[in-house]
Amino acid sequence: AQSVAQPEDQVNVAEGNPLTVKCTYSVSGNPYLFWYVQYPNRGLQFLLKYITGDNLVKGSYGFEAEFNKSQTSFHLKKPSALVSDSALYFCAVRDMGGGYQKVTFGTGTKLQVIP
Amino acid sequence: ETGVTQTPRHLVMGMTNKKSLKCEQHLGHNAMYWYKQSAKKPLELMFVYSLEERVENNSVPSRFSPECPNSSHLFLHLHTLQPEDSALYLCASSQAHRLRPTDTQYFGPGTRLTVL
Repeated sequence: AQSVAQPEDQVNVAEGNPLTVKCTYSVSGNPYLFWYVQYPNRGLQFLLKYITGDNLVKGSYGFEAEFNKSQTSFHLKKPSALVSDSALYFCAVRDMGGGYQKVTFGTGTKLQVIP
Repeated sequence: ETGVTQTPRHLVMGMTNKKSLKCEQHLGHNAMYWYKQSAKKPLELMFVYSLEERVENNSVPSRFSPECPNSSHLFLHLHTLQPEDSALYLCASSQAHRLRPTDTQYFGPGTRLTVL
């Protein structure tokens, strides 16, 4: 069975500092990895995804994520955090061997950017 | 967030009430989903519809009844709910009628449901 782990419930970072939100995964086949962001009282918004190719994926709002197959990780990063980045971030994995729907979401990491 | 809309945004209901949640997607997608989001838990997939046909039902209690009259609309009918059903219910859609691994799901803002 596939799984996603977000080991940190909350990450605090000062505005202007780099941020990292961690995600590790476990799948039986090739992983397709996603990051979503959820602002208060809003639905999930797609940030970026890794399908194949370059291990560094660039997404919306200046975010990027690095796929590391040996460490089975897909950490979300941003060089300089903004207060407006404060939100809940979800990592998700889709197993290529799955059927119609084998999307697994993590429990989410709350990012707090401190002015 | 005009791609996927959900109404109502907030709903408070008693355990004996019957209510419905509505989702509409304006993206021309062929697949729609219901998720349940509870605090400190991963998103739980409830139902998947592809070309108006239900293709996934993840052991959801019968007090939740989905309906997909066309590819743009999805309903979740609720009856005799329990307090533990209180959560944020999210609707999503994706393009392909057969969900490809690379497809991106687009989410609505959710309905915050409180069962008293």
